Amino acid sequence: AQRVTQPEKLLSVFKGAPVELKCNYSYSGSPELFWYVQYSRQRLQLLLRHISRESIKGFTADLNKGETSFHLKKPFAQEEDSAMYYCALRAQYNFNKFYFGSGTKLNVKP
Amino acid sequence: DAGITQSPRHKVTETGTPVTLRCHQTENHRYMYWYRQDPGHGLRLIHYSYGVKDTDKGEVSDGYSVSRSKTEDFLLTLESATSSQTSVYFCAISDRGGINTEAFFGQGTRLTVV
Repeated sequence: AQRVTQPEKLLSVFKGAPVELKCNYSYSGSPELFWYVQYSRQRLQLLLRHISRESIKGFTADLNKGETSFHLKKPFAQEEDSAMYYCALRAQYNFNKFYFGSGTKLNVKP
Repeated sequence: DAGITQSPRHKVTETGTPVTLRCHQTENHRYMYWYRQDPGHGLRLIHYSYGVKDTDKGEVSDGYSVSRSKTEDFLLTLESATSSQTSVYFCAISDRGGINTEAFFGQGTRLTVV
């Protein structure tokens, strides 16, 4: 069965500190993984996807199939990064369903 | 932003009453989803649709039903609202596309059952 785990409910860091939000998954097929961000009382929006191997707003995430992880990293956190972050897995061959982790709230302190 | 509109945005209802939430899209995407968002649980899939009149249950479907009579509309009905259904409900859409396909979300409906 597919599952996405985000072990940290809350992560507090100071501005300028490195950030790592953890995500682990279980999936029998070839995974497609995403990070979504939700700013206060707004809709979820895509932050990045593993296929693109892109850096968005300074964030990167590498898919590690051996460790079944897709951790989100940023070397220097900014106050505007404070938000809720969700890791998601797309089951392309299971009705295109998206499975989400429980989310990590990132709080960047000044 | 993808063309997804949820209505109403806020609703307070009494226990035992039926409630219908609407999701409307203008993107002609095949897949539509209803999630509920609760602290500590993240987003959990209630129901999804893979075409007109094609729907199925997600992981937390008890007490909910859905209908999709047109590509653009996906309705979520709470048959008899309970306090445990107080939550924020998000509609999402996606197209099959290629390997990069993402889900787009609506703005959410905050439902309070008193």
